[in-house]
Amino acid sequence: NAGVMQNPRHLVRRRGQEARLRCSPMKGHSHVYWYRQLPEEGLKFMVYLQKENIIDESGMPKERFSAEFPKEGPSILRIQQVVRGDSAAYFCASSPYAGSYEQYFGPGTRLTVT
Amino acid sequence: QQQVKQSPQSLIVQKGGISIINCAYENTAFDYFPWYQQFPGKGPALLIAIRPDVSEKKEGRFTISFNKSAKQFSLHIMDSQPGDSATYFCAAREGQSGSARQLTFGSGTQLTVLP
Repeated sequence: NAGVMQNPRHLVRRRGQEARLRCSPMKGHSHVYWYRQLPEEGLKFMVYLQKENIIDESGMPKERFSAEFPKEGPSILRIQQVVRGDSAAYFCASSPYAGSYEQYFGPGTRLTVT
Repeated sequence: QQQVKQSPQSLIVQKGGISIINCAYENTAFDYFPWYQQFPGKGPALLIAIRPDVSEKKEGRFTISFNKSAKQFSLHIMDSQPGDSATYFCAAREGQSGSARQLTFGSGTQLTVLP
């Protein structure tokens, strides 16, 4: 299966803990986007990364959230000191190059903060 | 400026009927308009997309109609089937000259097709 992979699929964290969400793009894709979906809402853009570079983080909360896409390995979205309001589905999407319009989404990670 | 407004919020259609979902936008820099289908517990799947140089695009039972002057676009699902029951999102993205590469999504339409 050459699709976008995300893990874990479900993640439960207590308030104050750290959450790490991983995304492996489709084979041959070097651009990754992260989106957040609150219950019964549309997806909201968070951050756009290329290998080893953050291109656009205009949708990322200023505090507690960070993202990386290293030269080797998956992209990681890190949420420090989680709060209940962070409970949501987090999706990543990948595209093959900067000019590509199509974005292909993974199955998402559903984060629950207790 | 970046918002995409989608309606209706929910839609119930009889099997064999036509489902119509509408979206409107303000940002004239948008030049790519995809529709995504999402089943519960799954990620959004790209269904069909259109660029503003055409007014209509058809793929199987799915058609996008695009009205550039009105800044509106819609998804038509012909001969709707119970298996089409899902949440549908419209989205938009700026063109190559724009600075934003991300998709801006509508709020979604929950479609139920009755057997």
